[in-house]
Amino acid sequence: NAGVTQTPKFQVLKTGQSMTLQCAQDMNHEYMSWYRQDPGMGLRLIHYSVGAGITDQGEVPNGYNVSRSTTEDFPLRLLSAAPSQTSVYFCASSSGGLGEQFFGPGTRLTVL
Amino acid sequence: GQQVMQIPQYQHVQEGEDFTTYCNSSTTLSNIQWYKQRPGGHPVFLIQLVKSGEVKKQKRLTFQFGEAKKNSSLHITATQTTDVGTYFCAGITNNNAGNMLTFGGGTRLMVKP
Repeated sequence: NAGVTQTPKFQVLKTGQSMTLQCAQDMNHEYMSWYRQDPGMGLRLIHYSVGAGITDQGEVPNGYNVSRSTTEDFPLRLLSAAPSQTSVYFCASSSGGLGEQFFGPGTRLTVL
Repeated sequence: GQQVMQIPQYQHVQEGEDFTTYCNSSTTLSNIQWYKQRPGGHPVFLIQLVKSGEVKKQKRLTFQFGEAKKNSSLHITATQTTDVGTYFCAGITNNNAGNMLTFGGGTRLMVKP
């Protein structure tokens, strides 16, 4: 099993550009989520999904969209990138909802 | 604001010294989880505590959950260079968006050989 995979590993955007961060898991986990990590702020939840077709907002959802068309994939879309979105983004999945989270390797995003 | 707080933010220790990080919540938590993130890596699950006053050990690591289920601690005995990383606690909190796993800000441990 590959576990949780994320692409790309690094990305540089200009202000106003849009892009999609990809996340996939092969563990048949129902629960998936996106976090951003900023220095001293820990991990903050952006969006989450409890299963295919169901998504909900987390703590910091503004500027981001998600969809969950399949159990395996949970892409995160930045609609119009802003410098404040410079961060490291982690996708996570779990078989038991809010139990043990399995994290992907992360995407380091810089917005100029 | 952040509902799960961790202290200290940074800790430098000499190899062989002990280390403790503390996690505090403004609300009662149904459980507490601990994760370790190596430099440049991703968070990796260490353990989950559920019961009031629970204590669990993993080799040199001791995890405690407070009686009121509002605080927790991770203690490492005789640190090694392999313990370097950031340790996060996480608890289930409830806000306008529903139940979610809220992470503390983390404690970054640096070990001098």
